[in-house]
Amino acid sequence: RKEVEQDPGPFNVPEGATVAFNCTYSNSASQSFFWYRQDCRKEPKLLMSVYSSGNEDGRFTAQLNRASQYISLLIRDSKLSDSATYLCVVNPRGGSYIPTFGRGTSLIVHP
Amino acid sequence: ETGVTQSPTHLIKTRGQQVTLRCSSQSGHNTVSWYQQALGQGPQFIFQYYREEENGRGNFPPRFSGLQFPNYSSELNVNALELDDSALYLCASSLSSGATNEQFFGPGTRLTVL
Repeated sequence: RKEVEQDPGPFNVPEGATVAFNCTYSNSASQSFFWYRQDCRKEPKLLMSVYSSGNEDGRFTAQLNRASQYISLLIRDSKLSDSATYLCVVNPRGGSYIPTFGRGTSLIVHP
Repeated sequence: ETGVTQSPTHLIKTRGQQVTLRCSSQSGHNTVSWYQQALGQGPQFIFQYYREEENGRGNFPPRFSGLQFPNYSSELNVNALELDDSALYLCASSLSSGATNEQFFGPGTRLTVL
């Protein structure tokens, strides 16, 4: 099993739809989690951190489920500009710093 | 505030050659991480430098090496280039080392090995 797994998609959704992505991780000792957005041929940009209590930023909600070892990203009222690849990253607890990115989930929002 | 910058933007090399990529961290950031991103994949962690010392290393061979300078800028050196080294190389800086710090990425250097 890979350390961090994401469904590569693509997820094809109409404008205004709600869409959710999951990211599963295998290391139960993982400490911190983030979602990044990457546009085609551009660098990843931080979308949001994922806290144990969950967090929300406008149309975006991130959740952490430690028991089942996954994080999720929910996008409400999708916009055309949300079309991108969404990458999760999982950081281990303690020891050397070795973050692990998922391969990303592609989202295409169409009119 | 200046963001993370990388140079060059594109580079073409042949097998067996050596390459040096450069990164300037965001103002106020003392930690730089390097990643390799192949097409269709997520970034793979190469290593991190914190205050000029290597702070963590991913599963990359010793021909991938790095440096961090007193101004916190950094270099990634790759020796004996192989075709599979063709990728986007990303540099990211953060306020400090450690797993909870958010990283800010530069635009990357696209390396092609022929």
